[in-house]
Amino acid sequence: ILNVEQSPQSLHVQEGDSTNFTCSFPSSNFYALHWYRWETAKSPEALFVMTLNGDEKKKGRISATLNTKEGYSYLYIKGSQPEDSATYLCAFKRYGGSQGNLIFGKGTKLSVKP
Amino acid sequence: EPEVTQTPSHQVTQMGQEVILRCVPISNHLYFYWYRQILGQKVEFLVSFYNNEISEKSEIFDDQFSVERPDGSNFTLKIRSTKLEDSAMYFCASSTPAGGSGANVLTFGAGSRLTVL
Repeated sequence: ILNVEQSPQSLHVQEGDSTNFTCSFPSSNFYALHWYRWETAKSPEALFVMTLNGDEKKKGRISATLNTKEGYSYLYIKGSQPEDSATYLCAFKRYGGSQGNLIFGKGTKLSVKP
Repeated sequence: EPEVTQTPSHQVTQMGQEVILRCVPISNHLYFYWYRQILGQKVEFLVSFYNNEISEKSEIFDDQFSVERPDGSNFTLKIRSTKLEDSAMYFCASSTPAGGSGANVLTFGAGSRLTVL
């Protein structure tokens, strides 16, 4: 059974703190790793889609790294702001099958206090 | 910015009733998907749809489920005879063909919450 794990489950930080969380996924048959930002009552929003081992992607204060050989990805948020409060989902795409057949983690819920 | 819209946002139904959840994907997208999230659990893939047919479905997507693109803009998920365990948030998503990275970026709707009593 393919499994994706995210840690921690939840995180409470102060405004201005930098933070990071982990997504672990199967290291075999890797095709892509997706990160989504999901605010309550809104649509999950794509942050990154990563495909290459060693890839690093950045979007503003948010960045992500990828290690496909050991099966993990880190998401970093520099200088957290209250508007960063959301659940961050990662999703693993194995080789083969349709592009939408993603295996999701349970998410890391981030709360940023002003 | 283009978005995926889903209706209804919340539906309450009696066990055994048929339910249709509707989605309007982004107009130039070619691939369409449904997912669900049972409360407290992970988001799960249900089905992929391309070129007017199912391209892949999960074990969850049994004979009680069907999808349709009836008019070139809507993409619907039908549950024929709902069960209590169908209560979940159902997400629609769409994407364009993969670019140079080879991996599609999915655009999700905000979800339809289905409550089966």
